Amino acid sequence: AQSVTQLDSQVPVFEEAPVELRCNYSSSVSVYLFWYVQYPNQGLQLLLKYLSGSTLVKGINGFEAEFNKSQTSFHLRKPSVHISDTAEYFCAVSDRSGAQKLVFGQGTRLTINP
Amino acid sequence: DVKVTQSSRYLVKRTGEKVFLECVQDMDHENMFWYRQDPGLGLRLIYFSYDVKMKEKGDIPEGYSVSREKKERFSLILESASTNQTSMYLCASRGANTIYFGEGSWLTVV
Repeated sequence: AQSVTQLDSQVPVFEEAPVELRCNYSSSVSVYLFWYVQYPNQGLQLLLKYLSGSTLVKGINGFEAEFNKSQTSFHLRKPSVHISDTAEYFCAVSDRSGAQKLVFGQGTRLTINP
Repeated sequence: DVKVTQSSRYLVKRTGEKVFLECVQDMDHENMFWYRQDPGLGLRLIYFSYDVKMKEKGDIPEGYSVSREKKERFSLILESASTNQTSMYLCASRGANTIYFGEGSWLTVV
């Protein structure tokens, strides 16, 4: 079984400041890793994913994440945030075979203050 | 672009009613999923389907059933709605190691 822990339920930052959203996971097998974003009253949109290869993954809207196998982490970063980044962010893992069901963390609400 | 469409965005139903949530995808994906989203709990898997007429229970199937008669359509059924099923329901389909989500259906049971 897999589990995902997002270490912060809420993260307030000022506009143009850097941000890091933390994600740790537990799994007995190799996994794929994902970050999704959810804007108010909308579904989930894929930000980025790690399947294999380089551990630094770049996504949309200037976000990037680094896969750290030894620490079983997949933290999301952005060097300079904008008001439009205000949203809820979900980290998720899936098996590498079969239906590849996603297992989600509890979510982190990112609030950008002017 | 992959499109996953949930036909009902906002529903209000009475306790005991039978509720159907419909989901359609346009990319010929084999795997489809229904998740439930609640504050502080993230998304939890209710059911998934890996082909027409094939389904498997997820983590929280109690009180729900599903139907997949055609590849593009995956329906979630609440046989007798209860107030603890008030939630946001998200449908998804999988292609190329990525899962794509619909816009969600907000269900309120009164």
